[in-house]
Amino acid sequence: RKEVEQDPGPFNVPEGATVAFNCTYSNSASQSFFWYRQDCRKEPKLLMSVYSSGNEDGRFTAQLNRASQYISLLIRDSKLSDSATYLCVVTPFSGGYNKLIFGAGTRLAVHP
Amino acid sequence: EAQVTQNPRYLITVTGKKLTVTCSQNMNHEYMSWYRQDPGLGLRQIYYSMNVEVTDKGDVPEGYKVSRKEKRNFPLILESPSPNQTSLYFCASSTIPGQSGYTFGSGTRLTVV
Repeated sequence: RKEVEQDPGPFNVPEGATVAFNCTYSNSASQSFFWYRQDCRKEPKLLMSVYSSGNEDGRFTAQLNRASQYISLLIRDSKLSDSATYLCVVTPFSGGYNKLIFGAGTRLAVHP
Repeated sequence: EAQVTQNPRYLITVTGKKLTVTCSQNMNHEYMSWYRQDPGLGLRQIYYSMNVEVTDKGDVPEGYKVSRKEKRNFPLILESPSPNQTSLYFCASSTIPGQSGYTFGSGTRLTVV
C-alpha cells in the first residue's frame, strides 16, 4: 500500500464549480500535512498547510481527519487558472522531520 | 529574490557518461533534498542533507551521489547514468521541512539514452 494515495483524476469541471480532492495516508503517526500545486512540467509549489482544526485561504479549504487518516482540499468557484495537479504531502514521524512523502497527484482541468 | 536554482534545465546524455546536476539556494536553508518525479509514482526522495557535510539516503538512492560542502550548494552526481534514471529531477530546500514544506527548483529533465 502506498504511504500517500490520491485519486489521479482527471477531474474535469466547469468554471465556477466546487471541487473536492481527498487523500489518504497510511502512517497514523504522521505529523504534518500540506497541499502542493504543480503546473505541467513545472516545480511543485506550496499551496497550503493543513491544520488539525481545518484552515481556509480564499477559495481553498483544507481539512484533516486523523481518525480516518485522510486530508481533503476543497476549491470553490473554480477558475481556469486552477487547472493543475494537486499533490498531497505528509511528513511521516518514522521518517523524521526532514522527509516529505508526496502523493502522485490529482489532476484538475477547469473548462469554460 | 529567494530561490532554488538548478542547472541544467534539460540534459540528454548517453549511458555511462558521468554527469552532475547543480543546485544552489540563496535562503540560508539548512535542509536540502533531491527528488525524482516519474509518471504515476509521484515525487520520490533520492538524498537529503540536514547541514554542511551531513547527507543521508532517501528512498531511491541507488545510482546517485551527493555532496554538501557549502550550505548553499547540493549537487547531484550520476557516476554512470542508465536509462532507468531518465526522469524529472527537483532540488528543494527548507528551514524545517515538516513545518514549512520545501521550496523547489525549476527542475531538470534528464534523458539517458
